[in-house]
Amino acid sequence: GAVVSQHPSWVICKSGTSVKIECRSLDFQATTMFWYRQFPKQSLMLMATSNEGSKATYEQGVEKDKFLINHASLTLSTLTVTSAHPEDSSFYICSAKEDEQYFGPGTRLTVT
Amino acid sequence: QKEVEQNSGPLSVPEGAIASLNCTYSDRGSQSFFWYRQYSGKSPELIMFIYSNGDKEDGRFTAQLNKASQYVSLLIRDSQPSDSATYLCAVKRGFQKLVFGTGTRLLVSP
Repeated sequence: GAVVSQHPSWVICKSGTSVKIECRSLDFQATTMFWYRQFPKQSLMLMATSNEGSKATYEQGVEKDKFLINHASLTLSTLTVTSAHPEDSSFYICSAKEDEQYFGPGTRLTVT
Repeated sequence: QKEVEQNSGPLSVPEGAIASLNCTYSDRGSQSFFWYRQYSGKSPELIMFIYSNGDKEDGRFTAQLNKASQYVSLLIRDSQPSDSATYLCAVKRGFQKLVFGTGTRLLVSP
């Protein structure tokens, strides 16, 4: 149980374009999902908390207009990186909360 | 002071030995503690969680919590080369959020 998927697993995009990442809870319903970012050799940093049917709560320093989060159903949350730049290149990981947080496999974003 | 602190390592142990990973936290009110394993290039995998003082065992893994000392540890018995990974300690802040340490890299040599 507690399986979380992400799509795509990796993506390369050009600077200035937008990229959408999907996070799905496959065998449970998740009213709350989380989006993290991890730079090389660093720990996970929480970007935002996504609640089904309401606006996401962003951590301090995270631009809500740049990182758009939509949690439209109990099994799906999406993160859209708008107008991506090379400094947005990172490993983006979602998690979904059943009893505790279970992580998706991550999406590696490279912006050229 | 960081909210969750771990020694970055690497911690090197021979195959079959006990690996001991340590973590301290600053918020005395913290109630829930987690250990995740992260292989290079992969996302974290939940290994154990512990809420009460004392030991909690699951197979080769034992989590130990001492709230008075604000200290949580993970013991891995009979370490295997496949245990080589980065181990992340996390503390729950509030009802939902997890705050992660920077992780300890474990190397188990055959």
